[in-house]
Amino acid sequence: QSGLTQPASVSGSPGQSITISCTGTSSDIGAYNFVSWYQQYPGKAPKVMISEVRNRPSGVSDRFSGSKSGNTASLTISGLQPEDEADYYCSSYTSTRTPWVFGGGTKLTVL
Amino acid sequence: EMQLVESGGGLVQPGGSLRLSCAASGFPFINYWIHWVRQAPGKGLEWVAIIKRDASETYFVDSVEGRFTISRDNAKNSVSLQMNSLRADDTAVYYCARDWQYAFNLWGRGTMVTVSS
Repeated sequence: QSGLTQPASVSGSPGQSITISCTGTSSDIGAYNFVSWYQQYPGKAPKVMISEVRNRPSGVSDRFSGSKSGNTASLTISGLQPEDEADYYCSSYTSTRTPWVFGGGTKLTVL
Repeated sequence: EMQLVESGGGLVQPGGSLRLSCAASGFPFINYWIHWVRQAPGKGLEWVAIIKRDASETYFVDSVEGRFTISRDNAKNSVSLQMNSLRADDTAVYYCARDWQYAFNLWGRGTMVTVSS
């Protein structure tokens, strides 16, 4: 199965903004507005940060925002804080045999 | 408090079977699709399976198709994942997750499955 493509790592200093990209195809990100983003700390379960491309669940900081253009989705974290250091995964619903797919994950380091 | 709690993981030999359970509480279970997602040690997330509200539809990732089955008991607020013919590459933490608008909006803590001789 082909997954979504994310950069392996990104980094930024406290207070800065970073963007994590998630590239798919016309069968997933390009076809549906069902892109979601997850934050995962080591040894912990993932937590949804963004759903339906840009919707932020209750309790998630407004420093987190999502967008999409064509086959690529993006997660932007503004005003970086040390506690943002974690792994981030994108996911999309797809029209293929495997109806959901994840990206490989991006490790965010806050310098 | 809304929560999902997985159980049933453990060590099993290649070719063996294991049944995972996911117990839900704190929300109207019957209204939600439930997924299983796994994560191999040091690796990323992989979607495994889904069961819809009335169990009328189930779907699996190709690598487990024909080996895993998923079921639910809405009276007991639980979902099960029956895993047969287990292989070393099935070794992972298995999470159950609640679906909302095609996102995984509530996760359990996971249960570890190790397939090894």
